[in-house]
Amino acid sequence: EAGVVQSPRYKIIEKKQPVAFWCNPISGHNTLYWYLQNLGQGPELLIRYENEEAVDDSQLPKDRFSAERLKGVDSTLKIQPAELGDSAVYLCASSAGQQETQYFGPGTRLLVL
Amino acid sequence: GNSVTQMEGPVTLSEEAFLTINCTYTATGYPSLFWYVQYPGEGLQLLLKATKADDKGSNKGFEATYRKETTSFHLEKGSVQVSDSAVYFCALLSYTNAGKSTFGDGTTLTVKP
Repeated sequence: EAGVVQSPRYKIIEKKQPVAFWCNPISGHNTLYWYLQNLGQGPELLIRYENEEAVDDSQLPKDRFSAERLKGVDSTLKIQPAELGDSAVYLCASSAGQQETQYFGPGTRLLVL
Repeated sequence: GNSVTQMEGPVTLSEEAFLTINCTYTATGYPSLFWYVQYPGEGLQLLLKATKADDKGSNKGFEATYRKETTSFHLEKGSVQVSDSAVYFCALLSYTNAGKSTFGDGTTLTVKP
């Protein structure tokens, strides 16, 4: 069974540019998460989806970050414009339900110059 | 709110040494507890979990027991290998907090031959 797929794996951009990350969850997993992981820290939740509905986006900086999961499967996370402090690893995870074990993708490592 | 506190690293051991990584938590209700492992450049992989008090999770020689009385979930392995070198994250999943997960900051383990 394929795991969570993320792309790109690495991205280098200049500040003020836009950037987008894509995630394909494990087949059949209704719950999808986007996390931010800073160096030397654990993941911090940005947004959680149940199917196509964002049920927890309280930690998403909505002035520059947006996310969508239009058909309840793949998801895209966007930053516009990017700032230097956005340099981090962006992790996508999925689970069979909100109280089930989460499975993580390899992450997208973003560097903003 | 919920929180997870892990033993600070880095931890350096010789091959075949005994490993303990301490983890304590604060949460309302009865969360599930997890250990994840992250190898360089990869996402988090589930190592083991326990869903109720006194449960023992185990996998690949690693073990952790859910201790409600001490709110702890310490990770142990009797004989570490070089291939165990990675970052280990303790996490909880709270059913009383809308299925939100909380992660510790990770403990880096290096095993030398």
